[in-house]
Amino acid sequence: GAVVSQHPSRVICKSGTSVKIECRSLDFQATTMFWYRQFPKQSLMLMATSNEGSKATYEQGVEKDKFLINHASLTLSTLTVTSAHPEDSSFYICSATLQGIRSTDTQYFGPGTRLTVL
Amino acid sequence: LAKTTQPISMDSYEGQEVNITCSHNNIATNDYITWYQQFPSQGPRFIIQGYKTKVTNEVASLFIPADRKSSTLSLPRVSLSDTAVYYCLVGDINTGGFKTIFGAGTRLFVKA
Repeated sequence: GAVVSQHPSRVICKSGTSVKIECRSLDFQATTMFWYRQFPKQSLMLMATSNEGSKATYEQGVEKDKFLINHASLTLSTLTVTSAHPEDSSFYICSATLQGIRSTDTQYFGPGTRLTVL
Repeated sequence: LAKTTQPISMDSYEGQEVNITCSHNNIATNDYITWYQQFPSQGPRFIIQGYKTKVTNEVASLFIPADRKSSTLSLPRVSLSDTAVYYCLVGDINTGGFKTIFGAGTRLFVKA
């Protein structure tokens, strides 16, 4: 149980275009989803916390107008990278928690999306 | 800022027991300690979680001393497939909800 999927698994786009990444909890309802970005040989960097039905909470330094997050249902959150540029090329990973805002919640991670902007 | 400190890398041989220690001096009363494993180009995978003392499951053990300022992940009899990055996380409850900060992780390399 507790499977999280991401789509697409990899995407290549031209500079200036927008890319949407979907994160789905397949067998559970996720009150809270998280979006991370990971550059090669580096750790995961939290970008934003997404709660169903409300606006996402962005981490300091993450542009909310560039990285649009929508959490319209308890099983789906989307991250849209608007006007992508080569420096946005990265590995984007989402995670979902079963319960919500408690320390004991285990995060279940998606397989990641490799974005390459040409 | 990362709230955890781990060794950057460790080497081991197949069949050995590997212990990875994580420091989390500022752990809060309600925080749990969770360990994840990540292979290249994959999302992290949950290994084990604990609050205090010792927790054991089918893949690992987690030792947490009474002061909870550190924890040790123990992998019994590692194999080549255990080569991965291991992250220690503690929950960070702030205003607005729960979030976790990933530290640098420990890159474990298992040799034949």
